[in-house]
Amino acid sequence: GDSVTQMEGPVTLSEEAFLTINCTYTATGYPSLFWYVQYPGEGLQLLLKATKADDKGSNKGFEATYRKETTSFHLEKGSVQVSDSAVYFCALSSSNAGGTSYGKLTFGQGTILTVHP
Amino acid sequence: DAGVTQSPTHLIKTRGQQVTLRCSPKSGHDTVSWYQQALGQGPQFIFQYYEEEERQRGNFPDRFSGHQYPNYSSELNVNALLLGDSALYLCASSTLAGRYNEQFFGPGTRLTVL
Repeated sequence: GDSVTQMEGPVTLSEEAFLTINCTYTATGYPSLFWYVQYPGEGLQLLLKATKADDKGSNKGFEATYRKETTSFHLEKGSVQVSDSAVYFCALSSSNAGGTSYGKLTFGQGTILTVHP
Repeated sequence: DAGVTQSPTHLIKTRGQQVTLRCSPKSGHDTVSWYQQALGQGPQFIFQYYEEEERQRGNFPDRFSGHQYPNYSSELNVNALLLGDSALYLCASSTLAGRYNEQFFGPGTRLTVL
């Protein structure tokens, strides 16, 4: 079945530092990959996505590239801000060859990011 | 454009009771999925509804049931509550016609079972 593994956390950085959060996956079908962010006391917000191999998703300075050969989708940001402090979830959704989703999102365990001024 | 809404925000129940959580999807969406998020964990898929039918189900017991109405809103029902059912319950909406299953989440309902 599908599974997602995120790097052990939490991650603590100083403002303007470089961020990498590792994510690897195993999947049936043709997976689409997502990063979601969860701020304290809130639901999940979609941060970025990639739907096929070598796609790069990007949003708000965050980037992740869909690497089929290494089954990875690592999240990066060149210069983090205090406001980036949150929990980050990597997720996948498998689809058939025509792009019709099988339905569920499978999530990693989440990585807590804390950014200090 | 209203996003996904859920009610109530918080709920406290005792073991053995039953609970109903409600969700209204984002405008234009026809598919609703429910997830359980235990403290410190990633969300776990409960089930997905489309056209008032359960389309897919995760590894949750029959105590967890759902419903989708013609206006696409949905309910999650949990019977015979256990302490382990304490969690944040998230509703997500999407459109089945949309490719790649991009789901939009509501703020969640925090359920505490005493």
